[in-house]
Amino acid sequence: ETGVTQSPTHLIKTRGQQVTLRCSSQSGHNTVSWYQQALGQGPQFIFQYYREEENGRGNFPPRFSGLQFPNYSSELNVNALELDDSALYLCASSLWDRGETQYFGPGTRLLVL
Amino acid sequence: RKEVEQDPGPFNVPEGATVAFNCTYSNSASQSFFWYRQDCRKEPKLLMSVYSSGNEDGRFTAQLNRASQYISLLIRDSKLSDSATYLCVVRSNAGNMLTFGGGTRLMVKP
Repeated sequence: ETGVTQSPTHLIKTRGQQVTLRCSSQSGHNTVSWYQQALGQGPQFIFQYYREEENGRGNFPPRFSGLQFPNYSSELNVNALELDDSALYLCASSLWDRGETQYFGPGTRLLVL
Repeated sequence: RKEVEQDPGPFNVPEGATVAFNCTYSNSASQSFFWYRQDCRKEPKLLMSVYSSGNEDGRFTAQLNRASQYISLLIRDSKLSDSATYLCVVRSNAGNMLTFGGGTRLMVKP
């Protein structure tokens, strides 16, 4: 086990709703990255948080936002859900060091109806 | 064109076979390279890092060709437990963001 936890494990929402996903990083890790994995595709980078600040963002609209807390846990918020937001959302924790491995949590599976 | 490209497969091989996966990347600024393994409905897990000198871990051998922007993974003596999706991953020196290929699915059969 990586020590990275995510909640909830599964979620069903309808179009237009808002969702908050949570991630607890591995002990000692100060960086959290979020990825979206659609069915049959590789994960795509959403954004990264380091010491409570956004530290890089992929090609996702502003309705995808996040937070990192002083204990380095993190939230991903998605507003105005669309059907295409249905995916596995993965968080990964690491130490802020460009050579450091990222450890993934089990993911939250989101279905938007 | 995708930044990291892989043959999606599936590769169906018998136990004991040798199988090779290839991957190409488009960003010449990429600095670090990895293979991750992802089991069905699970999270990706690091299989191995990839270095220019090539590296081996048991039955697994990874190679990097920076000039051709090409990465490979060789699995010898395939086991049933090797059945999974193998993700080629690169990281640029611009940050700690990982860029994943679409994955190659391997199915090892008895």
